[in-house]
Amino acid sequence: NAGVTQTPKFQVLKTGQSMTLQCAQDMNHEYMSWYRQDPGMGLRLIHYSVGAGITDQGEVPNGYNVSRSTTEDFPLRLLSAAPSQTSVYFCASRGVGGKNSGNTIYFGEGSWLTVV
Amino acid sequence: LAKTTQPISMDSYEGQEVNITCSHNNIATNDYITWYQQFPSQGPRFIIQGYKTKVTNEVASLFIPADRKSSTLSLPRVSLSDTAVYYCLVGDLRIMNAGNMLTFGGGTRLMVKP
Repeated sequence: NAGVTQTPKFQVLKTGQSMTLQCAQDMNHEYMSWYRQDPGMGLRLIHYSVGAGITDQGEVPNGYNVSRSTTEDFPLRLLSAAPSQTSVYFCASRGVGGKNSGNTIYFGEGSWLTVV
Repeated sequence: LAKTTQPISMDSYEGQEVNITCSHNNIATNDYITWYQQFPSQGPRFIIQGYKTKVTNEVASLFIPADRKSSTLSLPRVSLSDTAVYYCLVGDLRIMNAGNMLTFGGGTRLMVKP
């Protein structure tokens, strides 16, 4: 069972570079989201999507773009990387509907990003 | 999502029972209570979920009083491998709602000592 797959796992960027973190899920989940987690801190929501073609901002959206062209994929783009974006990024998904299908969030294994 | 309050950190010793309490005074009728566990360098993973009274699985128990304004995650006989951050979430996650953001608080950092 693949679940939620994130790539790359580790990445070093120079300030000003752009890159895309990939996220894919094979559970046919409607809801996908991106979080960042700074050292010793909790998770903060960056962007989320409730279905293909629909995205919205979370708590800390500045400097990031997302798109949802398919149900399976939800890439996160860093437009111009800054040292403040050094963090661990987690992609998550959950289903909607049904008695219990929407109440469990599945996380990817994380992407460690360093901006120098 | 209902706002939750948890202790920032807790210490325990191997073999002890650990109880982590989460306060959620404005919980709504359709809200469920869900706990997640996060080990260092990993994404959070689902532990247990409940609506009222008591729920038990192979990992933990969840106690919810009648007023549902708080809940207690109970970890029986912890081991060093239970050292992790534990997050309490409250909300009806089944509802597809563009405004239904999933936000995590800081969680409770549990340190189990030998």
